[in-house]
Amino acid sequence: DGGITQSPKYLFRKEGQNVTLSCEQNLNHDAMYWYRQDPGQGLRLIYYSQIVNDFQKGDIAEGYSVSREKKESFPLTVTSAQKNPTAFYLCASSADRGLYTEAFFGQGTRLTVV
Amino acid sequence: GDSVTQMEGPVTLSEEAFLTINCTYTATGYPSLFWYVQYPGEGLQLLLKATKADDKGSNKGFEATYRKETTSFHLEKGSVQVSDSAVYFCALKARNTDKLIFGTGTRLQVFP
Repeated sequence: DGGITQSPKYLFRKEGQNVTLSCEQNLNHDAMYWYRQDPGQGLRLIYYSQIVNDFQKGDIAEGYSVSREKKESFPLTVTSAQKNPTAFYLCASSADRGLYTEAFFGQGTRLTVV
Repeated sequence: GDSVTQMEGPVTLSEEAFLTINCTYTATGYPSLFWYVQYPGEGLQLLLKATKADDKGSNKGFEATYRKETTSFHLEKGSVQVSDSAVYFCALKARNTDKLIFGTGTRLQVFP
């Protein structure tokens, strides 16, 4: 089955630790995205990538880092510099950057700082 | 900048009632417009889309028409079911941008 796989589904982090969220897709999509979702808020874009070895900051990139070494993979690291990391994180991909192209989403990772 | 505004929820309906969730947008040029649905604890799924003015997107009984003159893309369904209970997000993708921009989401609760 083609799709986007995020892991883990639940993640607990101690304050001061870095954690990495995994996102893998087998849709052969060029573009990949990371969004953050907080209760009662919409989705806010953290980082996105249109091609391997290239990525751009979204609206709330501070305290996060990404890499895109392979087309299939776009891991997100939540660093200790992120002041309020507890949230639901969603990874998405789209076939290209075209105007009409929709995004496909993974099932999300819920990160809790303890 | 580009933005999407949705009606605040929750929207609470009885089964078989008519549903409208309002969505308006601000964007330069003519964006593509999308509705996504999120069931509890899950990611978002595309529900429908429209790519030009007067287009009507439809899926699973839901419909939305791209209205350029009112910059709106309201979601409608004639008869909701309990299984439609979820959060609905309106989104746009503008020309010359790589980003999907989302509204804040509207929670729909349908009771038997």
